Amino acid sequence: QKEVEQDPGPLSVPEGAIVSLNCTYSNSAFQYFMWYRQYSRKGPELLMYTYSSGNKEDGRFTAQVDKSSKYISLFIRDSQPSDSATYLCAMSRVLEYGNKLVFGAGTILRVKS
Amino acid sequence: DTAVSQTPKYLVTQMGNDKSIKCEQNLGHDTMYWYKQDSKKFLKIMFSYNNKELIINETVPNRFSPKSPDKAHLNLHINSLELGDSAVYFCASKGTGGVLAKNIQYFGAGTRLSVL
Repeated sequence: QKEVEQDPGPLSVPEGAIVSLNCTYSNSAFQYFMWYRQYSRKGPELLMYTYSSGNKEDGRFTAQVDKSSKYISLFIRDSQPSDSATYLCAMSRVLEYGNKLVFGAGTILRVKS
Repeated sequence: DTAVSQTPKYLVTQMGNDKSIKCEQNLGHDTMYWYKQDSKKFLKIMFSYNNKELIINETVPNRFSPKSPDKAHLNLHINSLELGDSAVYFCASKGTGGVLAKNIQYFGAGTRLSVL
């Protein structure tokens, strides 16, 4: 079993839809949770960052962490064609300089206009 | 200015050859990483250096050898290239100041390696 599981999709939605992207994980030591967005032929860029459980909102994006269920989500409201990309969840255990990010496989999102 | 830059962007080579990929960051970060992303987009860490010191070394064939001449540069040399080495290789760097900075990694655009 992989440490982080993420449905690779693709997920196709119409413009304006609410998108829900999810990851589950097995290691309860993970404390820091991130979502990266990767456009085709580009490097991943950080989208959202949360610590421990709870919600965080930034514009059209909301990140949720439920540590009791070992489940994290990213919601995108009013999705736009420019949101079409691969979304990678990532998580880490500690803040030490050697901390290792463990990534999910990435979900391909396609928003159709 | 590109924060994390990798060269070359594309690399096409024959099996058995030796090749190098270079990475430079101008963010003043202390920690740099090499990741491999396979055809299914799975991103896996290979190595990490902090101030020129190797701190993470995942289970990677010893044909792969990272080298950090200074904290702003991390190069990856690959000997005796194999078909399975074909992937996108990403360099990343991370700062040290503050809770947020300690966990955010900034990625380069990637080097697409094709071994024929």
